[in-house]
Amino acid sequence: DAGITQSPRHKVTETGTPVTLRCHQTENHRYMYWYRQDPGHGLRLIHYSYGVKDTDKGEVSDGYSVSRSKTEDFLLTLESATSSQTSVYFCAISLTPNTYNEQFFGPGTRLTVL
Amino acid sequence: AQKITQTQPGMFVQEKEAVTLDCTYDTSDQSYGLFWYKQPSSGEMIFLIYQGSYDEQNATEGRYSLNFQKARKSANLVISASQLGDSAMYFCAMREINNNDMRFGAGTRLTVKP
Repeated sequence: DAGITQSPRHKVTETGTPVTLRCHQTENHRYMYWYRQDPGHGLRLIHYSYGVKDTDKGEVSDGYSVSRSKTEDFLLTLESATSSQTSVYFCAISLTPNTYNEQFFGPGTRLTVL
Repeated sequence: AQKITQTQPGMFVQEKEAVTLDCTYDTSDQSYGLFWYKQPSSGEMIFLIYQGSYDEQNATEGRYSLNFQKARKSANLVISASQLGDSAMYFCAMREINNNDMRFGAGTRLTVKP
């Protein structure tokens, strides 16, 4: 199994509070991704990183920011959480962005915004 | 526009029988990769099988095979000899050469009946 951990695994927070989710990998993969999973939508990309301090937006980036100061860590921040951000968040890693490289996923974080 | 379409929200199959999960995709790229992931009730995303757009033969991995019909832009997953442990959500996904992310379908929930 790919060495990917996410913390916290579960979080309940209130509207308007900041939230940071952490993804940690031990595989030394260059590419890291944050997805959210919602019923009927599959997984949708929020942000991704192609190296330390190199990040870019995905399909549903509004309301989220990311940072990557070390190869192994990729942080997702909700500056002011809203109820629409209640979701399951998955981190993924990939050796390269090539079409033949699968992404390996972390265990997910279930976030509830009240 | 939806890039990956899974038209079967739910499927049932009898144990030991084969089942086909449908996936169609939309891309203008010539080079792309198609993936299937399994998500059991425990929530983790498990990579199952990969098919490259230039691969002439259908991919197989144990009881999983991918029925790739390039002209029809379909990449159906076939599970042979279904087992109770195959009950899960199944996601079809695509990586295109000109994109850094992976696009997912909405998923199909497979239930294997004893």
